Order: sequence, then C-alpha cells, then structure tokens
Amino acid sequence: QVHLLESGPGRVKPSETLSLTCVVSGGSIGDLFWSWVRQPPGKGLEWIGFLFYGGTTSYNPSLENRVTISVDMSQNQLSLDLTSVTAADTAVYYCVRLRGGGDGRIDSWGQGTLVTVSS
Amino acid sequence: QAVLTQPPSVSGAPGQRVIISCTGSSSNIGAGYDVHWYQQLPGKAPKPLIYVNSMRPSGVPDRFSGSKFGTSASLVITGLQAEDEADYHCQSYDSDLSGQVFGTGTKVTVL
Repeated sequence: QVHLLESGPGRVKPSETLSLTCVVSGGSIGDLFWSWVRQPPGKGLEWIGFLFYGGTTSYNPSLENRVTISVDMSQNQLSLDLTSVTAADTAVYYCVRLRGGGDGRIDSWGQGTLVTVSS
Repeated sequence: QAVLTQPPSVSGAPGQRVIISCTGSSSNIGAGYDVHWYQQLPGKAPKPLIYVNSMRPSGVPDRFSGSKFGTSASLVITGLQAEDEADYHCQSYDSDLSGQVFGTGTKVTVL
C-alpha cells in the first residue's frame, strides 16, 4: 500500500514562494500519475496540477503561470512550487496518486499539510 | 473555471436513504469521463468511496452506491448511519481544463 507524506513550512509570507514536498513510500514514483490538490479552509477541493514521470505535466489554468510540479526519482519524492502567493493560497495541500492516467481517479491521498499565507 | 455542482447539504435520519447529485457539463461528465466520489470525515483527508461511476473499493460498505447519466452523477447512501456524517466530493476530468475537476462538496448530516 502506497503512503504519501507531505511536508512544508506551515507559514509563507505574501509574495513569496510556497514549496512543498511529498515523500512516496510503498511504491515507485516512476509509475502512474501524481497530482497536487488543495482545500482552502471550509471550502471544496481544487486541482492544482499533475505530473507523470517522463515529462507529462498539466496545470490548472488559473495557477499555470505560478506553479511548477516536479519529481526527484532518487528520493522518490514529488514537489510543488507556487510563486507570488497571496492569502487566497491559504489551504491544506494534498499530494495524491492518480490511477488510470491523467483523467483517472485518485486512489491514494496524503494526510495533507496546512499552509497559511500571512505576514 | 469548470466545476461540478453539488447541493451544499443533505440530511436524513438513521436508516433513511439520501441522494447527492453531481451536475457537470459537456466538457466533463457529459463527455463520457468517469465520476469518482470521496468521503471526507471532519479534520481528515478525503478517502475513495466510489470509483468509475459505480465501483466500490475494498472495505467500503455496500450501502454506498453510485450512478452516472448524461451530464450528472449521483451518490446514494441507503440505510444512513451516524458514521456517515461527513463531507462528500465528486470528481471527474474536464477536457477544457485538461485536468481534474471537483464538485462543490456536500455535507451530510445524520439527524
């Protein structure tokens, strides 16, 4: 059973870059598709983007000019960078695994990490 | 931005049946993309509940069922139990977005 564990700074200042990592255990990050999803406090889920090792990426158009998702095969780790953050980026960020391709279902979720954008 | 529409809340007494709708459009559910459902208990990460419209992962009780028709999908809980009190989210793929799209979320309250 794959296990996903996100980590990050907890708090980021406005206009700075939010950087998160997700360590994958129990499975190879070279298989399947991986994605980031976020959930602002008290609100619904929002897709950020997905990546398939080998170069395929797709980002939410509303975030596309600020977001980068990458993978480190040597660490079996997924990363998210979101630049120029504002209070609207305050959310719980989840690392997830997609099964069935980029248009597939989420079969594994990390526990999530809360990021607060505040000075 | 593309989004799937769900009722904000539904409620029912223990043992009753509740239905949660998920309405999309021609670029997602109506285009033939599958619908998946997730249950989110308070303070927890979402958990897979229904996949590929009507399939249940191992361990999910059979009182949960799903269906899809046209541009919509439904999640039915038959025989509501206290532990079903949670938020429920639908998800599909959107060709305009070229990515996943989620529902607005529904809070289920057991009276």
